[in-house]
Amino acid sequence: DTEVTQTPKHLVMGMTNKKSLKCEQHMGHRAMYWYKQKAKKPPELMFVYSYEKLSINESVPSRFSPECPNSSLLNLHLHALQPEDSALYLCASSQTRGSTDTQYFGPGTRLTVL
Amino acid sequence: GQQVMQIPQYQHVQEGEDFTTYCNSSTTLSNIQWYKQRPGGHPVFLIQLVKSGEVKKQKRLTFQFGEAKKNSSLHITATQTTDVGTYFCAGGVGTYKYIFGTGTRLKVLA
Repeated sequence: DTEVTQTPKHLVMGMTNKKSLKCEQHMGHRAMYWYKQKAKKPPELMFVYSYEKLSINESVPSRFSPECPNSSLLNLHLHALQPEDSALYLCASSQTRGSTDTQYFGPGTRLTVL
Repeated sequence: GQQVMQIPQYQHVQEGEDFTTYCNSSTTLSNIQWYKQRPGGHPVFLIQLVKSGEVKKQKRLTFQFGEAKKNSSLHITATQTTDVGTYFCAGGVGTYKYIFGTGTRLKVLA
């Protein structure tokens, strides 16, 4: 099973709402990633968890709060977002051999902030 | 900061023509990965190159990693309509850290 699942597929939220994105993988991968992708742009790395610990935070605003409750799950909590945060949010996972591992991407959550 | 540029930004080809996209990094990379993203889809891993000067082939696709590990290319021979999509390189710049290239959007005209 080389699948990364993400829920929901689509999300519309207001600027005062609190919502969460969920990502799950059962490949035994111990590194999990959040990327943000705007239309017609490349994915931009936001966060990386390795063995359930936050390894990389690419100076992401605090209105995005990641959480890794266990080795299979990754959440992204959203609060007080801005319209410019509307994008496709991609989750990925990889094994933990360092910088040469294949990243498997989920289908993404398409987020619209009104 | 570190940047990975790809050229061309767009390419329209007739079915059966060849296609090449080039990826250039401002810094030396530990490795490079290539992904394909179909319209409305998510990036799908194609291949990884690690060694300086490495060349790998997958059917009609040929991938190269430059000697200085700062550039790479993807060449598709005899394109098909199923090759449509955006091709991204992603350069390894640290443990778990990849910078995606700007992407090349390929359209294939039947």
